[in-house]
Amino acid sequence: NAGVTQTPKFQVLKTGQSMTLQCAQDMNHEYMSWYRQDPGMGLRLIHYSVGAGITDQGEVPNGYNVSRSTTEDFPLRLLSAAPSQTSVYFCASTIRAGGHETQYFGPGTRLLVL
Amino acid sequence: AQTVTQSQPEMSVQEAETVTLSCTYDTSESDYYLFWYKQPPSRQMILVIRQEAYKQQNATENRFSVNFQKAAKSFSLKISDSQLGDAAMYFCAYRSAFVRRDDKIIFGKGTRLHILP
Repeated sequence: NAGVTQTPKFQVLKTGQSMTLQCAQDMNHEYMSWYRQDPGMGLRLIHYSVGAGITDQGEVPNGYNVSRSTTEDFPLRLLSAAPSQTSVYFCASTIRAGGHETQYFGPGTRLLVL
Repeated sequence: AQTVTQSQPEMSVQEAETVTLSCTYDTSESDYYLFWYKQPPSRQMILVIRQEAYKQQNATENRFSVNFQKAAKSFSLKISDSQLGDAAMYFCAYRSAFVRRDDKIIFGKGTRLHILP
């Protein structure tokens, strides 16, 4: 049981380039989310998914796309990278069972946009 | 809209001493979850403790305990017998307990805790 995995761990992009941040979980969780973490800002929700085929926008969705074709995978796509997207990105999956809820985070992807 | 406020950007404590991190939140909902997450230099987000709002009893996990004051909307974290490995950024977080599409957890801005040897 690997939990939540993210690749790559670190990436450098040039302005205008596109890329996909990968996220996978092997716990069969329905809920998955993407957050970004900036200094002094805490974590902010980008996009989330409540199940395969269902995605929705979070607090800061502009410049990002997501898809959820399977329960396991929830990739985050940067369409045209901008320096403002330099951040640390966390993927999370959530289990909700009988009133009990726990969110599991991946190790993060550090992105630098030049 | 719900908000979470951590008023202490940084704190320091002597090893083996006790420290309390403060958190206040604002919500109009009656049922929700509160969390404390620890983020060490590795950047991994680690759940430290969780509290269900409908439970009056304060949650405890080994050296970590909370003081949950629902009427005051306060949720502080107490770390007893502080250890060097406790040095990290700590985030307070809120999540509605109502079942809905939104899976959003609202985070505070964090408190960086230093442990002095």
